[in-house]
Amino acid sequence: QSALTQSASVSGSPGQSITISCTGTSSDIGSYNYVSWYQQHPGKAPKLIIYDVTKRPSGVSNRFSGSKSGNTASLTISGLQADDEADYYCSSYTSSNTLDWVFGGGTKLTVL
Amino acid sequence: QVQLVQSGAEVKKPGASVKVSCKASGYTFTVYYMHWVRQAPGRGLEWMGWINPNSGGSNFAQKFQGRVTMTRDTSINTAYMELSSLRSDDSAVYYCARGLTTVMAAATGSFDDWGQGTLVTVSS
Repeated sequence: QSALTQSASVSGSPGQSITISCTGTSSDIGSYNYVSWYQQHPGKAPKLIIYDVTKRPSGVSNRFSGSKSGNTASLTISGLQADDEADYYCSSYTSSNTLDWVFGGGTKLTVL
Repeated sequence: QVQLVQSGAEVKKPGASVKVSCKASGYTFTVYYMHWVRQAPGRGLEWMGWINPNSGGSNFAQKFQGRVTMTRDTSINTAYMELSSLRSDDSAVYYCARGLTTVMAAATGSFDDWGQGTLVTVSS
């Protein structure tokens, strides 16, 4: 059981937009603006695509955007492309006394 | 450019220890935290802990306390993660990942650059 809750899968057609949500608690997403999103293609290492809720690292397409409301963070991918098909993980810093960072269970994005 | 190159795959018996290395290049090794994250087969990501390469200080997830050691050798820009008393559920790909924040601040930064991963298989 992951600390952050994500839907298991989402799908969309090329050119469409999709949103992946990530629900946490007042101890993590609700308390900190240290929410990040990672893209992971099969057999590859994760890649940071959003950090500090809304910021994009250099080189990441502006088709990726992040937001947060209360205990829920969201990743929106616009203009879906075939290469966007991957697993997406959210993560948040946490005030838990047992660990510093928590992840979601991941969402599999299928581009139809 | 930043590169993190990890050591090769390992096969270990239950109860043994494994030590994974992560050699950094393309930046000043002692300036940024190094985190370790693992991923069991077909499962999600799990944060294990971080090391401050400048001071050698570290912090671990409670579930690994007593079993994990994180060290570094600044002369060769390499971080190490050693996990002992291995069990079958420790079978996973282990990643090192550079933190976004410098060691002058709290380790609240996301994981910017990742190693290629090291597969550790625990089997009798």
